[in-house]
Amino acid sequence: DIQMTQSPSTLSASVGDRVTITCRASQNINSWLAWYQQRPGKAPKLLIYKASSLESGVPSRFSGSESGTEFTLTISSLQPDDFATYYCQQYNNYSYTFGQGTKLQIK
Amino acid sequence: QVHLVESGGGVVQPGRSLRLSCAASGFSFSSYGMHWVRQAPGKGLERVAVIWYDGSNKYYGDSVKGRFTISRDNSKNTLYLQMNSLRDEDSAVYYCARDAVAGNGIDVWGQGTTVTVSS
Repeated sequence: DIQMTQSPSTLSASVGDRVTITCRASQNINSWLAWYQQRPGKAPKLLIYKASSLESGVPSRFSGSESGTEFTLTISSLQPDDFATYYCQQYNNYSYTFGQGTKLQIK
Repeated sequence: QVHLVESGGGVVQPGRSLRLSCAASGFSFSSYGMHWVRQAPGKGLERVAVIWYDGSNKYYGDSVKGRFTISRDNSKNTLYLQMNSLRDEDSAVYYCARDAVAGNGIDVWGQGTTVTVSS
């Protein structure tokens, strides 16, 4: 099975900061990677698909990139609404593995 | 408007069964693959099962293989998850979710239904 290692598990930042979250795949996933945002008590929301494509309606301060098996979610200037938990997910094969999640909290 | 509404959750004893349903509306249900994803209290997301748009293929997570069955009725726009031999560790919020077309991730999620396995 493909394993997804996400880091950090917790991130403290302030409004206006630029933050990055990283996900590393245990093998090649051919850019089949998505990022989701989840607020407490709510369902996840798709932000990025195919490693770097922005889902419709998602603010442009969110971006995704890749380098080999390492994937990065960047939020260019944190807004109050962005404090939530973020998950990566590979969908190269049928297991659709999620990363462990990164909780982004206010410093 | 696209909607997924789960139902069927509740409290059940270990070893018993439960069937979850997910009613879809606002899109052509029969054209999309569908997932069940769960989240145990305070934990991360785990994809439980996926079914192809026409029901021809199904894949399960290792933790539920042989105990859970995903199915769909395209005439009723409904997705199901039959859960047998339930264990304490199956306690979670279960989300029904739509597989986006052309490899675009999972783009629509229901609000979730809670399953608690407890004696």
